[in-house]
Amino acid sequence: AQRVTQPEKLLSVFKGAPVELKCNYSYSGSPELFWYVQYSRQRLQLLLRHISRESIKGFTADLNKGETSFHLKKPFAQEEDSAMYYCALRPYNQGGKLIFGQGTELSVKP
Amino acid sequence: DGGITQSPKYLFRKEGQNVTLSCEQNLNHDAMYWYRQDPGQGLRLIYYSQIVNDFQKGDIAEGYSVSREKKESFPLTVTSAQKNPTAFYLCASRDGGLNTEAFFGQGTRLTVV
Repeated sequence: AQRVTQPEKLLSVFKGAPVELKCNYSYSGSPELFWYVQYSRQRLQLLLRHISRESIKGFTADLNKGETSFHLKKPFAQEEDSAMYYCALRPYNQGGKLIFGQGTELSVKP
Repeated sequence: DGGITQSPKYLFRKEGQNVTLSCEQNLNHDAMYWYRQDPGQGLRLIYYSQIVNDFQKGDIAEGYSVSREKKESFPLTVTSAQKNPTAFYLCASRDGGLNTEAFFGQGTRLTVV
């Protein structure tokens, strides 16, 4: 089965605290994984993808094939990070469709 | 101004009526997608199209129909057969090549009254 699980519906932290948004996947093959973010009243946009191995807005995510995880991390959260975050998997050779997790709402308090 | 445009932003429909949501892109992307977003359920794929005049069902296609007569347009019709149509609908497009990202529209919120 192809599935993405984000166990936390809501994550609330204080500004400056570390953040980790969890994502686990189920996929028989080499996954292509993404994190998308949706800020209030804005469209869903790509935050980062595992193949590029880059840091965007201070966020990083490492693919752990042994644990089938792709957790999103940031060492020091900012108030502007408050948004809805979705982890997504793109199966190979299935038309480019994305399988999304349920989403985690991150709230960063001052 | 390049991008992907969905209209209208808000749509109200009476029970038993069909309604069509518009999605247009000027990015020259081959592939287009329709997702449904519900609180606590993430996004679920309704239909997708990789080329003009061809489309495939996604995970929740029942009660929906699409057409792809032009590369830049991928309208979604929510029919009266859809049992729970009130939701936020997102359209996306993507260049057909490898390692390309999907771009999303602003969404249409459909409410059945």
